[in-house]
Amino acid sequence: QVQLVESGGGVVQPGRSLRLSCAASGFTFSNYAMHWVRQAPGKGLEWVAVLWYDASNKYYADSVKGRFTISRENSKNTLYLQMNSLSIEDTAMYYCAKDLYQLTDWGQGTLVTVSS
Amino acid sequence: QSALTQPASVSGSPGQSITISCTGTSSDVGSYNLVSWYQQHPGTAPKLLISEGSKRPSGVSNRFSGSKSGNTASLTISGLQAEDEADYYCCSYAGSNTFVVFGGGTRLTVL
Repeated sequence: QVQLVESGGGVVQPGRSLRLSCAASGFTFSNYAMHWVRQAPGKGLEWVAVLWYDASNKYYADSVKGRFTISRENSKNTLYLQMNSLSIEDTAMYYCAKDLYQLTDWGQGTLVTVSS
Repeated sequence: QSALTQPASVSGSPGQSITISCTGTSSDVGSYNLVSWYQQHPGTAPKLLISEGSKRPSGVSNRFSGSKSGNTASLTISGLQAEDEADYYCCSYAGSNTFVVFGGGTRLTVL
């Protein structure tokens, strides 16, 4: 069965960087686009970024454009999110999710807390 | 990247039917048949309920159905059950610039 496991979250100071990982199993990772979606505490879902199956295309939400970078290593079945210049507003649970136009499977999330 | 508009809350009694609306624009919901709906119970990850406006993935109860008219998509839950109490989110493809946009979410309370 499809399994997505996020890691790399934690507490970080404003202005610092963090890299999240999403380990995929149970499907042919290299055949699917992947997303990052976040959810601030007590708030709704916010789409963050998407990366094509072959990394040929990527798109970002305006709120993270220029600060976050989505990437993948198909040989390791892993998706990444490099987050730079973090602000308090980036505090959220970060989920990775599979597929292009509908997010068919989701991980359990990794919590990022930006605090001084 | 404006969020799609959903009611903040809806409620219904067991056995009843409810409908959650999701209003977008001609740039997202109105232009593509790519609306999806997600259910999220507290403390858990979202789960796909409906894709491409009205398709149910394998394993999703047929009590859940989706439709679209113009710029508004809808999720209907029939035969409400206690376990349906959760947050529901719509999502639409919005073109290559914005790509994907979510609704603000609707809290369903089963009375």
